[in-house]
Amino acid sequence: AQSVSQHNHHVILSEAASLELGCNYSYGGTVNLFWYVQYPGQHLQLLLKYFSGDPLVKGIKGFEAEFIKSKFSFNLRKPSVQWSDTAEYFCAVNGNTGGFKTIFGAGTRLFVKA
Amino acid sequence: SAVISQKPSRDICQRGTSLTIQCQVDSQVTMMFWYRQQPGQSLTLIATANQGSEATYESGFVIDKFPISRPNLTFSTLTVSNMSPEDSSIYLCSASPGQGADTQYFGPGTRLTVL
Repeated sequence: AQSVSQHNHHVILSEAASLELGCNYSYGGTVNLFWYVQYPGQHLQLLLKYFSGDPLVKGIKGFEAEFIKSKFSFNLRKPSVQWSDTAEYFCAVNGNTGGFKTIFGAGTRLFVKA
Repeated sequence: SAVISQKPSRDICQRGTSLTIQCQVDSQVTMMFWYRQQPGQSLTLIATANQGSEATYESGFVIDKFPISRPNLTFSTLTVSNMSPEDSSIYLCSASPGQGADTQYFGPGTRLTVL
């Protein structure tokens, strides 16, 4: 079955701490991988995506993610978080099977203390 | 990219009534989707709406309860019919410009409360 698993539901960090949010997926066929972010009171927006090529992708606001095919993982990282990174982060996958629909993880709520 | 607007942004409705949510995209898109997001939970896909064909519903969602229209490439509606308090949720519209698997762009959501 197609699924996305995010390891942490809630993360609390202090400013300048490093961040890594885990994401594993189960999906047959070629995959596209995404991280979406939802800031408080705002709508979901794309943080970064991987379709092909370099497995290390860089997104907005200093975020990056690494696709490790052998581990079915797409972890999100940021070397130094800011208070403004407080948000909910969703990992997602789609591909050329399953009618192109996107499967979302349960989300990780990140709170950054100033 | 695509900019998506939804109306209404929120509503409080009585049990047994119906509400139609509108979703407008600022450019022509191939695929549109409707999701439900319960508080503190992830997105659950209700259906995929493609122009010129019937919507495709996910398991647990039926057309009688959630009829969808997709009259053109920039607009879609979702109706929540015969509402009960269990339908209280945020309903999200999203759109994907591509033909197949692609990035999705999301609307701001409609927060529905059913009394």
